[in-house]
Amino acid sequence: KAGVTQTPRYLIKTRGQQVTLSCSPISGHRSVSWYQQTPGQGLQFLFEYFSETQRNKGNFPGRFSGRQFSNSRSEMNVSTLELGDSALYLCASSSGPGVGQGGETQYFGPGTRLLVL
Amino acid sequence: AQTVTQSQPEMSVQEAETVTLSCTYDTSESDYYLFWYKQPPSRQMILVIRQEAYKQQNATENRFSVNFQKAAKSFSLKISDSQLGDAAMYFCAYRSRNTDKLIFGTGTRLQVFP
Repeated sequence: KAGVTQTPRYLIKTRGQQVTLSCSPISGHRSVSWYQQTPGQGLQFLFEYFSETQRNKGNFPGRFSGRQFSNSRSEMNVSTLELGDSALYLCASSSGPGVGQGGETQYFGPGTRLLVL
Repeated sequence: AQTVTQSQPEMSVQEAETVTLSCTYDTSESDYYLFWYKQPPSRQMILVIRQEAYKQQNATENRFSVNFQKAAKSFSLKISDSQLGDAAMYFCAYRSRNTDKLIFGTGTRLQVFP
C-alpha cells in the first residue's frame, strides 16, 4: 500500500500570498489531520477531517482553512501569508477514530516545507 | 485541556545500551491513547509504539517498551540494545477517544554514540 503523500514537498512564497497544500491519504483511510511543525512552537494541530466533515479545529487564525474531498484527499489553504507561517506542514491519515481494532493509528506523510519570505 | 510534557530536550546513549525517555501528561479523561513517534532528521514521522489507557499491560514492540503509570500520568519509553538508527527526535503524544487529534510533547532528541 502506498503511504501518505503530500504535494508539493517544498514551497517558497512571499508575504501576502496564499498557498494550497495537498494530502493524499493511504488508500481506504477516511480521516485526515493536519499539523504545523516549527522549532519554536513544536507540533500543533490544525484540523481533522473525516468523511468530508471537519471534526476538530486547532487554535489557528481564520487564514488557515482546509477541506476534504469525497475521495478522502485533503487540502489546506493559508491566505495572506506571514513570515511566521514558515513551517513544516504534516498530514496524517487513519481509518478513522473508533474504526476497528488498531484503526486509529495515524500514519504521517513526509510533509510540505513552506518558506515565507 | 490535555497537555503533554517531555522534560528531557536531549538524551544520549551508547550503542547496545538502554535508554529511557520520559513523558508525563495531564488529562481528566479516563479513556485515551498514548503514542511515541520517532522523527529522524529530515525524514518522516513514524509510529514507534502505542498504548491504550484501558489496558494495564505495558505495550512492547521488539526493542521498544513503555512503562505506563496511569495514576501518575506517566508514559516513558525504554529503548533496549540501542542502535545508530535509533537517533532521532522522539515525540510523546496523547489522543482522546473518538478523535484523531494528537497532542504532542516538545520532543526529546536522542543521540546514539558508537
